[in-house]
Amino acid sequence: GQQVMQIPQYQHVQEGEDFTTYCNSSTTLSNIQWYKQRPGGHPVFLIQLVKSGEVKKQKRLTFQFGEAKKNSSLHITATQTTDVGTYFCAGPVEGNKLTFGGGTRVLVKP
Amino acid sequence: IAGITQAPTSQILAAGRRMTLRCTQDMRHNAMYWYRQDLGLGLRLIHYSNTAGTTGKGEVPDGYSVSRANTDDFPLTLASAVPSQTSVYFCASSEQWSNYGYTFGSGTRLTVV
Repeated sequence: GQQVMQIPQYQHVQEGEDFTTYCNSSTTLSNIQWYKQRPGGHPVFLIQLVKSGEVKKQKRLTFQFGEAKKNSSLHITATQTTDVGTYFCAGPVEGNKLTFGGGTRVLVKP
Repeated sequence: IAGITQAPTSQILAAGRRMTLRCTQDMRHNAMYWYRQDLGLGLRLIHYSNTAGTTGKGEVPDGYSVSRANTDDFPLTLASAVPSQTSVYFCASSEQWSNYGYTFGSGTRLTVV
């Protein structure tokens, strides 16, 4: 079946630094979604990318969908303590059922 | 506030007992889902429902059942709980063919002992 993989599993970042987390699918995706889960919280929808090569920005977060629509990345600029949490990518399996990646857990060192 | 309500928030359950996790949404979303979250394994789909009256199996359905009698409610039942069902359970909903992603409930932390 479809697999969605994320790397790295953990990311320790110094406050103020940039980092990127990557998402790879075993199959071509119609779209890719990103979610953030704060410690002890629930996943919250961030964004959806649909077009090949699409790039979207939300303040310090930049999301990109690969040309082949099999991979995606999330780049965070000037990391802040509010960025702490786990970031998940997810792609549709059939219809609107989503398969989630294992997540990247982000820890910020002040 | 529109959203998803899950109950209970947490529960310790003896193995072999039956339990129903409740999920109610007030957004009139067509589709609803149950995921379990285990450390290192991300979110795995248990069951889903595209519309009231229909349900389907996800990636890890064994030991669980669901029903969708109406649009708002989507309960998840563990017929006879086992320790491997210890997990955090999230209910979610979405508009079918939505561009706005899933809305998740706050989760139920279940421990089976």
